[in-house]
Amino acid sequence: GEDVEQSLFLSVREGDSSVINCTYTDSSSTYLYWYKQEPGAGLQLLTYIFSNMDMKQDQRLTVLLNKKDKHLSLRIADTQTGDSAIYFCAESLDDYKLSFGAGTTVTVRA
Amino acid sequence: GAVVSQHPSRVICKSGTSVKIECRSLDFQATTMFWYRQFPKQSLMLMATSNEGSKATYEQGVEKDKFLINHASLTLSTLTVTSAHPEDSSFYICSASSPRQDNQQYFGPGTRLTVT
Repeated sequence: GEDVEQSLFLSVREGDSSVINCTYTDSSSTYLYWYKQEPGAGLQLLTYIFSNMDMKQDQRLTVLLNKKDKHLSLRIADTQTGDSAIYFCAESLDDYKLSFGAGTTVTVRA
Repeated sequence: GAVVSQHPSRVICKSGTSVKIECRSLDFQATTMFWYRQFPKQSLMLMATSNEGSKATYEQGVEKDKFLINHASLTLSTLTVTSAHPEDSSFYICSASSPRQDNQQYFGPGTRLTVT
């Protein structure tokens, strides 16, 4: 996780947008990922973006990639209580390995 | 598609015993499986990568004699924690990938190991 950094906590009001930020170091990463982990569960792949893309939108999720600054963000529109979870940013390395950030705990308050 | 299961979901064992965790790809053939360990409130640390029919490749600092990995078929990999100690207590997560699944990793639900 040292090569991928994320803020640790985010609190957001229900209905607002959440933005989770991530920076990575390996400029040769082919893919960048966002995973969601609920308590006691495994990782759910939310979305991923190819490194030659700037943006990807999938329903309430928008991923922005700034390759020059090695900055990735995930925006969740109309955040719901079910969105409370830990969100991991990850970059792909050689041999299809992944390097994960420490995770951002998102708490949605009513 | 791309469902990965793990068994058991939780296991408690006594110090000195061994415990086996299974990882199965249910609807695809996984050429590669990965084993991760996650400590409370921390990120996933890759332990090893296994390809079907060959020896696993362990990450630096992971004892291969302690964490035995067998990838005997394209749908099953097992992790055996040998002579477990309390410090081995952790959440173990596997993932599986295949060229037919665009080489993306699909994760299992994890196994909570508690060594008493």
